[in-house]
Amino acid sequence: KNQVEQSPQSLIILEGKNCTLQCNYTVSPFSNLRWYKQDTGRGPVSLTIMTFSENTKSNGRYTATLDADTKQSSLHITASQLSDSASYICVVSATDSWGKLQFGAGTQVVVTP
Amino acid sequence: EPEVTQTPSHQVTQMGQEVILRCVPISNHLYFYWYRQILGQKVEFLVSFYNNEISEKSEIFDDQFSVERPDGSNFTLKIRSTKLEDSAMYFCASRDMGQGRTGELFFGEGSRLTVL
Repeated sequence: KNQVEQSPQSLIILEGKNCTLQCNYTVSPFSNLRWYKQDTGRGPVSLTIMTFSENTKSNGRYTATLDADTKQSSLHITASQLSDSASYICVVSATDSWGKLQFGAGTQVVVTP
Repeated sequence: EPEVTQTPSHQVTQMGQEVILRCVPISNHLYFYWYRQILGQKVEFLVSFYNNEISEKSEIFDDQFSVERPDGSNFTLKIRSTKLEDSAMYFCASRDMGQGRTGELFFGEGSRLTVL
């Protein structure tokens, strides 16, 4: 069964610190992996999109990595800000689908002053 | 910046009633989607729509659900006879075909449906 698992479930970090979120997936055949940020009660907003041939992609203070061999991805947040408090969701798409994204449960990040 | 807009933002309905959720996708996008998120759970795919027909649907999208693009701008999700378990946040999304399968999906802010 195609699945996307994320860890940790939640984390609390001090403003200015860095953190790394993890994602493991079994979706096959793999097409691309996305990281989304979702504020409470809002729609998901795309941070990065990577295909199997890309192993890193950055968007400002967000850097995603992908290891398609081990089916693992990470999202690194640098110099966290209070506005980074949100759920970060790993989302994977299969090659036989044009939009059926498989969402992970998300990692709830809380940045404290 | 172009955005996907959804109405209503919140709807409360009685079990068994019909509900229509509306979405205005980004104007030059050709692929449209409905996803839902039950409180505290993952976002789940419901249906994708392209060229005026359903291109893919999940097991959740049974005969009680239907989608329509009644005109050149709106995309609707209808639930014929709502159940308590239909209570969720429903997200509409759209995508430009230009980037193929890696094209970005733009999500609306969601319509919260509460079934009593």
